[in-house]
Amino acid sequence: EAGVAQSPRYKIIEKRQSVAFWCNPISGHATLYWYQQILGQGPKLLIQFQNNGVVDDSQLPKDRFSAERLKGVDSTLKIQPAKLEDSAVYLCASSSPMGTAYEQYFGPGTRLTVT
Amino acid sequence: GNSVTQMEGPVTLSEEAFLTINCTYTATGYPSLFWYVQYPGEGLQLLLKATKADDKGSNKGFEATYRKETTSFHLEKGSVQVSDSAVYFCALRNYGQNFVFGPGTRLSVLP
Repeated sequence: EAGVAQSPRYKIIEKRQSVAFWCNPISGHATLYWYQQILGQGPKLLIQFQNNGVVDDSQLPKDRFSAERLKGVDSTLKIQPAKLEDSAVYLCASSSPMGTAYEQYFGPGTRLTVT
Repeated sequence: GNSVTQMEGPVTLSEEAFLTINCTYTATGYPSLFWYVQYPGEGLQLLLKATKADDKGSNKGFEATYRKETTSFHLEKGSVQVSDSAVYFCALRNYGQNFVFGPGTRLSVLP
C-alpha cells in the first residue's frame, strides 16, 4: 500500500512570495489533514477535510493560507504572501475511521524556509 | 481543553540502556493515547496506541500503559539501539475530535 505523498520536499522562498504544497493521501482515505510543525514543537492542525468538505479550519490563518481538496482526493495548501514565521515543516496526513481510535498516516512533509 | 506534556529533551543514552520518556495529559472524557516517532527527514509514524485505561500498547520493543489514575502514558524500552534515535511525540485524541500532540522529545542513542 502506497503511503501519503507530498511535494515538494523542500522549498525556499522570500517573504511576501507565494508557495503551494501538494498532497496525495492513501487510496480510500476520506479524511485529510494539513499540519504545521515549527522546529522544536509538535504538529499543529491547520485544516481537516472529510472528502472534499472542510471539517475544521479554526487554526488556519485565513488571511494568508488557503487549502482545497476539489475531488476529494489530492489536496493543495497555499500561502500567499509568506511571512518569516511561516518557516516550518508542513505535514499532510490521512485517515480512515476504523474502530474507536483513528490512526493518522503522515507524509514525509515539505520543509519551507522563508528568508 | 485537551493538552499533552512531555519530558524535555534531548535525551542521550548509550546503546542497550533503559529508556523512559514521560508523558502526561489533560483531557475530558476518555481519550485514546498514542506515541508517534519521527526519524530524521521523515514524517511521523505511529509507534503504539492504547484506547482505554490499563491498556498496554507495544511495538518494536517499546511499551506504554494507559494510566487513568495518574493521567500518564510513559514510553519505555528495555534496551535502546542506535537506530532508535528519533523524536518521539505523545498524542491524544478524544472521540470526534482532532489529535493533540505534545512538543516531542528528541532521543539520541550513542554506540
